Amino acid sequence: SQKIEQNSEALNIQEGKTATLTCNYTNYSPAYLQWYRQDPGRGPVFLLLIRENEKEKRKERLKVTFDTTLKQSLFHITASQPADSATYLCVRGSSNTGKLIFGQGTTLQVKP
Amino acid sequence: NAGVTQTPKFQVLKTGQSMTLQCAQDMNHNSMYWYRQDPGMGLRLIYYSASEGTTDKGEVPNGYNVSRLNKREFSLRLESAAPSQTSVYFCASSDYRGLNQPQHFGDGTRLSIL
Repeated sequence: SQKIEQNSEALNIQEGKTATLTCNYTNYSPAYLQWYRQDPGRGPVFLLLIRENEKEKRKERLKVTFDTTLKQSLFHITASQPADSATYLCVRGSSNTGKLIFGQGTTLQVKP
Repeated sequence: NAGVTQTPKFQVLKTGQSMTLQCAQDMNHNSMYWYRQDPGMGLRLIYYSASEGTTDKGEVPNGYNVSRLNKREFSLRLESAAPSQTSVYFCASSDYRGLNQPQHFGDGTRLSIL
């Protein structure tokens, strides 16, 4: 089955450092990976989409990579701020069903 | 600029009661979705509607029904609530159904079944 695996342990970093979150997937490489942010008590908010052939995508302080050899996507936040504290969800599409498969998310805590 | 609106935000039910969760979007999106989110698990798709007039089962449809009332509205009904349906329910929409389509989420309905 096609799965998404994210580190369930919270990531704690100091303000100003770069946060790196990992997303591993199984089976076929998805054509796309999406990343969402979710704050407590709120719905997920779309951040970035990366295509299989893009390798890297940037948006302001965010950077996402896509490594089909390692079957892994990395999500980086540079110059992190306490306001970046949230849970980040990695999402892939299922080639079988055409539906999105969500990881359980990794919680990031940025300390001042 | 409401986006996706869900009502109610909180609800407590007794086992066996029924209720309908409402969802409306104002982005003129074609596709709409219902998910549930449980602790330690990713969002799981209950039902979706690729376009007005169509609905299909997702990963966990048992115990639920849906209605795509019009292009804006997509409701989720629990006919006979069970404690296993205690969860946070999210409605989402996208321009159309596709793996490269960002989904826009509401802020959820927190449902407890006693």
